[in-house]
Amino acid sequence: GAVVSQHPSWVICKSGTSVKIECRSLDFQATTMFWYRQFPKQSLMLMATSNEGSKATYEQGVEKDKFLINHASLTLSTLTVTSAHPEDSSFYICSAGEEGLVESTDTQYFGPGTRLTVL
Amino acid sequence: AQSVAQPEDQVNVAEGNPLTVKCTYSVSGNPYLFWYVQYPNRGLQFLLKYITGDNLVKGSYGFEAEFNKSQTSFHLKKPSALVSDSALYFCAVRSMNRDDKIIFGKGTRLHILP
Repeated sequence: GAVVSQHPSWVICKSGTSVKIECRSLDFQATTMFWYRQFPKQSLMLMATSNEGSKATYEQGVEKDKFLINHASLTLSTLTVTSAHPEDSSFYICSAGEEGLVESTDTQYFGPGTRLTVL
Repeated sequence: AQSVAQPEDQVNVAEGNPLTVKCTYSVSGNPYLFWYVQYPNRGLQFLLKYITGDNLVKGSYGFEAEFNKSQTSFHLKKPSALVSDSALYFCAVRSMNRDDKIIFGKGTRLHILP
């Protein structure tokens, strides 16, 4: 099946620093990837849609200058949390859909998530 | 507008008993419906999906779900629960309009009691 990886799996950083999270589709190409944020005991909140070769589409209320997304290739999207603050601490999850398939219904395959803790 | 509801925050089931996790949805037109499972500190794993055809869909780990158009429901079921099924379960829906994004329910925590 489709495999999506994320790196790192967890990161601890000081307030004011920037953190980059990578999302890779390992055995398929994804022109579109999604970044979610999950708070404890809550559902996933879609932050943005990452489009290969073009600008990301951000959901309402998500600061695009704070959460920088780059989708440089068909298998890699990165999320950079700039000038991180403790309130940015969360579980960040990416997903990619099986595009280009005849029976594509955009079933989303998720990465294992990245736990960010900002001190 | 699309929406999905999981009315139960938590479901407790004794090991060996059948389990049901409820999900109802609202979309324009026909839906694509999904179930995902999340284990602690992990991403979501795809369990099963309904696109078209047979209303009873079978998925991973012995789970199945039944699409009921008249009740706009897509409840997740398993005939005999295992302790290892304890996890957080998310129902998701998307319309056939490719401009619409997939929407997730708030999740239901399933506890299987030994």
